[in-house]
Amino acid sequence: NAGVTQTPKFQVLKTGQSMTLQCAQDMNHNSMYWYRQDPGMGLRLIYYSASEGTTDKGEVPNGYNVSRLNKREFSLRLESAAPSQTSVYFCAARGGRGTGELFFGEGSRLTVL
Amino acid sequence: AQSVTQLDSHVSVSEGTPVLLRCNYSSSYSPSLFWYVQHPNKGLQLLLKYTSAATLVKGINGFEAEFKKSETSFHLTKPSAHMSDAAEYFCVVSDPRNTDKLIFGTGTRLQVFP
Repeated sequence: NAGVTQTPKFQVLKTGQSMTLQCAQDMNHNSMYWYRQDPGMGLRLIYYSASEGTTDKGEVPNGYNVSRLNKREFSLRLESAAPSQTSVYFCAARGGRGTGELFFGEGSRLTVL
Repeated sequence: AQSVTQLDSHVSVSEGTPVLLRCNYSSSYSPSLFWYVQHPNKGLQLLLKYTSAATLVKGINGFEAEFKKSETSFHLTKPSAHMSDAAEYFCVVSDPRNTDKLIFGTGTRLQVFP
């Protein structure tokens, strides 16, 4: 089982360029999430989608947009990348609210020069 | 608002000795609590979770955690460390008022020496 798949795994951008991180899950889970991980800061929630057709802001949404294309796919877009967005990005899917486990992709390392 | 504090950014132990990773939470409600592990250059994996059933929770790979409401703590322990336990560990809290959101602690890096 693939679980949660993110692409690309690595990307280098110049300041001002745009890009989209793709995420797909094959577990039929309702909720999907985008986190960023920075040294010493743990994982911070960027956006999440509790169900198909809905999205909500997390702790650090500025500079990002998301699309819940269907139940399987949840993409994260950087419209005008900034060096502060250099990070490792994780997509996750979750089956149930409250006690449901998060299933993570393997991460996408983004560098903005 | 929900928050979680991991009291140690780094913990070093010798192989075969006990492991203690500390986590305190703040919540006005009974939270759900989780511990996740991240091995180098990998995604995160669930170790265990507390969901208001038994206060002592057993997880994978010999880890366990005890929910102590009076101390607002959810410390992770293992009786005997193994080299393969070297990783980063995250304590996570879910707010029952908005169960879609999970808040991560800043992580504890565990080193295990031979």
